Formats: sequence, C-alpha cells, structure tokens
Amino acid sequence: DAKTTQPNSMESNEEEPVHLPCNHSTISGTDYIHWYRQLPSQGPEYVIHGLTSNVNNRMASLAIAEDRKSSTLILHRATLRDAAVYYCILRDPLGRSQGNLIFGKGTKLSVKP
Amino acid sequence: KAGVTQTPRYLIKTRGQQVTLSCSPISGHRSVSWYQQTPGQGLQFLFEYFSETQRNKGNFPGRFSGRQFSNSRSEMNVSTLELGDSALYLCASSSITSVGTQYFGPGTRLLVL
Repeated sequence: DAKTTQPNSMESNEEEPVHLPCNHSTISGTDYIHWYRQLPSQGPEYVIHGLTSNVNNRMASLAIAEDRKSSTLILHRATLRDAAVYYCILRDPLGRSQGNLIFGKGTKLSVKP
Repeated sequence: KAGVTQTPRYLIKTRGQQVTLSCSPISGHRSVSWYQQTPGQGLQFLFEYFSETQRNKGNFPGRFSGRQFSNSRSEMNVSTLELGDSALYLCASSSITSVGTQYFGPGTRLLVL
C-alpha cells in the first residue's frame, strides 16, 4: 500500500472547523482514501472514505484533490469529543494486503474549550 | 448490529506464560484482523483470517498465532510471553463489500510482569 504523510499534531478551538491534511503522492488508481480516528483508551473508529469525489457523512467531510495526491478531512464544528489521533490510510480493496491496515503515526488533534 | 467484542478487556500475566484472546466480529462479517498497539511501535498488523483460513500475516514471531471458527469468531494466542508483549491487542472485522473498511473492537490490554 502507498504511504501517507500527516502533520504530527494540530490544535483547534471548540465549535470551529478543523482541516486535517494528508499527502499521498504515490497513490495508485485503485487506492481508496480512508480515515480512522482513535480516541483515548479506545480502538480505532472508521470515519470516512473516498476514491475520487468529495464525500460527506454525519461525522465529517472528505475533500480529495483533483490529482488525488492529497486529501483533507474536515470536521465542521470541532467538539471536545473529537480530540483524538486521526489516521489517513490508503487501501486497495483488491490488493494483496486487503486484510490489513497500515497505520502511520497519524495527527493528534487537540481541541481547546 | 452489535459491534466487535473482545474478551477479556484486561489481563495480567507473567513472563513465560501463554495467553488466549477472543474476538467476536460484527454479525455477517467473515474477515477478522488482529493488531498490536504499543507506545513505541504504534499499531502493527498481526494477521488476518477469512473463512477459517489465515489470509495475511504480519512480521511477528511464531509465538503469535491465531485461528478462526466456523461462526467467524477468532482467537489469538501468544505463547512464552515476554515483557515486550505488553500491549493493547485490537481485533477488527470487515465484510467483503466494505472496500476494506474495518470495524474495531475496544481491545484487550495485556500486561506482562
């Protein structure tokens, strides 16, 4: 699976939007972009995924660059509960390693009240 | 649907002992993956089972093993425990239609003394 690059940490104020960037310059045409987050003392939690078009769900939005070499996870109004480590992961559903996720260091998001 | 469940949640063992951890996937999910999380190494893939067969394996010694039953429940076993095996062990399940999306359990926290 191709590699992703994320900032180590970011800070946000409560109730403000948060844009979490991810670079994946070696992404292949069949890689999906997945985002997971891990709250303290919990297992990772699926947030959103996309292939080419921007995606929205109840948790977040995913904006994908036209060349697909980068993407941004958008939390529209951060809450204290959104403080977590956010992981950007590329997945090829037809690839050899379809059963495992390769986690990097992720971005640790802090939310200030 | 009920989420992924893992038992036990916490475990304390001594060096040289063995341990068995259990994972029940989301109903209908046939793929179960196991991960180890430590502060130093982060989240690392152990192995994946699909329809009772190991489909993928990470870079861990043979002391780490697993199996999957016909109802998709899975167990992992660690023999001859070492201090460095202290970690959070996470199980994740996925369906064949989920483009690689995995749903994680809360984990089993193992402490080896």
